[in-house]
Amino acid sequence: EPEVTQTPSHQVTQMGQEVILRCVPISNHLYFYWYRQILGQKVEFLVSFYNNEISEKSEIFDDQFSVERPDGSNFTLKIRSTKLEDSAMYFCASSDSLGQIQETQYFGPGTRLLVL
Amino acid sequence: DAKTTQPNSMESNEEEPVHLPCNHSTISGTDYIHWYRQLPSQGPEYVIHGLTSNVNNRMASLAIAEDRKSSTLILHRATLRDAAVYYCILLPYNQGGKLIFGQGTELSVKP
Repeated sequence: EPEVTQTPSHQVTQMGQEVILRCVPISNHLYFYWYRQILGQKVEFLVSFYNNEISEKSEIFDDQFSVERPDGSNFTLKIRSTKLEDSAMYFCASSDSLGQIQETQYFGPGTRLLVL
Repeated sequence: DAKTTQPNSMESNEEEPVHLPCNHSTISGTDYIHWYRQLPSQGPEYVIHGLTSNVNNRMASLAIAEDRKSSTLILHRATLRDAAVYYCILLPYNQGGKLIFGQGTELSVKP
């Protein structure tokens, strides 16, 4: 069964450093998402992406964040200058429809980011 | 964003049915009711969704009240692997795929 994959599974970085989290969505999907979950808290939406542009973003997704689909398979989340409060599990998701009856998002296993 | 209310936690015995309730009294006519679950240390996983009629799939059943102000996710025979946090989420038909997760219901299953 096709699945969303994410790398790395764990990332430790120093405050102020740039990190890039990578995702490979399911191959025929067109809609991509990033969510994050701070330890012990609920899953929060960050951004949705379709047709090479951001469809929607949350208040969390400020100028320090960016997303890119650099080729036909990868979807990346970049944090330019990490802060302590960026420590969280980051989940990538993809779907093959948007706002349609069959909307289902498939999530990856996550990247645990720790900012020291 | 439409709001849902779920109990914080529930317990079940293995191989018994589990009924997970969700209240969504402010649901609008175009909101679909989605259920996702998150097993320990994993990403969320789609379970089922519906609009007005009850729905069944291989994982679960979804019973939707006639006035749509509440719904119940039914696991027919709970297994230890069903221990997870279950999220009831309203997804407006015409507003994209953004999922708004609440705190969900943490289901524990006893052998």
